Amino acid sequence: EADIYQTPRYLVIGTGKKITLECSQTMGHDKMYWYQQDPGMELHLIHYSYGVNSTEKGDLSSESTVSRIRTEHFPLTLESARPSHTSQYLCASSRAGLGETQYFGPGTRLLVL
Amino acid sequence: TQLLEQSPQFLSIQEGENLTVYCNSSSVFSSLQWYRQEPGEGPVLLVTVVTGGEVKKLKRLTFQFGDARKDSSLHITAAQPGDTGLYLCAGARRANNLFFGTGTRLTVIP
Repeated sequence: EADIYQTPRYLVIGTGKKITLECSQTMGHDKMYWYQQDPGMELHLIHYSYGVNSTEKGDLSSESTVSRIRTEHFPLTLESARPSHTSQYLCASSRAGLGETQYFGPGTRLLVL
Repeated sequence: TQLLEQSPQFLSIQEGENLTVYCNSSSVFSSLQWYRQEPGEGPVLLVTVVTGGEVKKLKRLTFQFGDARKDSSLHITAAQPGDTGLYLCAGARRANNLFFGTGTRLTVIP
């Protein structure tokens, strides 16, 4: 079982609010990722990190930002949430290297009213 | 343009039937993974195939990597309701990131 955690699991907020989605892993993985997924649909990579103090934008443009101050922690922040941000956000981690298995958290389902 | 196209997008079958899901690309991958995602959860790795032509079996699931390492298939024998979920293929092509496919949503009706 993967040791990767996301909080909150569900979040309903109003437009304009600042939110932070938390992601933590206890596997000591260097790589971490954030994906955006509409229900039952494909995953879109929005951010990733090679390690501490490393953050990169993914294939899908996102207004969110991320930070990686500690190996185990990779939070995602939206400064001003909008209804278009409504989606499921999945965090994952893996060892460094090509084709390594990604271990996913349970996701945060965000609804912006 | 999606790098990895999966077909069918949706599949609903009766318990006990067999099915095959396809993952196709025009690009070559060094390896390909299959994940299953259940509602309300994150994807979980089922298998990784690395060698062109490789076939791996996981109980009732058979995975094949194409000879040219551009495509893969997943065959399920005697499907059970517990097989219901979203099946995602993911290819490793350049350093450090996976490209996920468009997904196949499978429903097995008891």
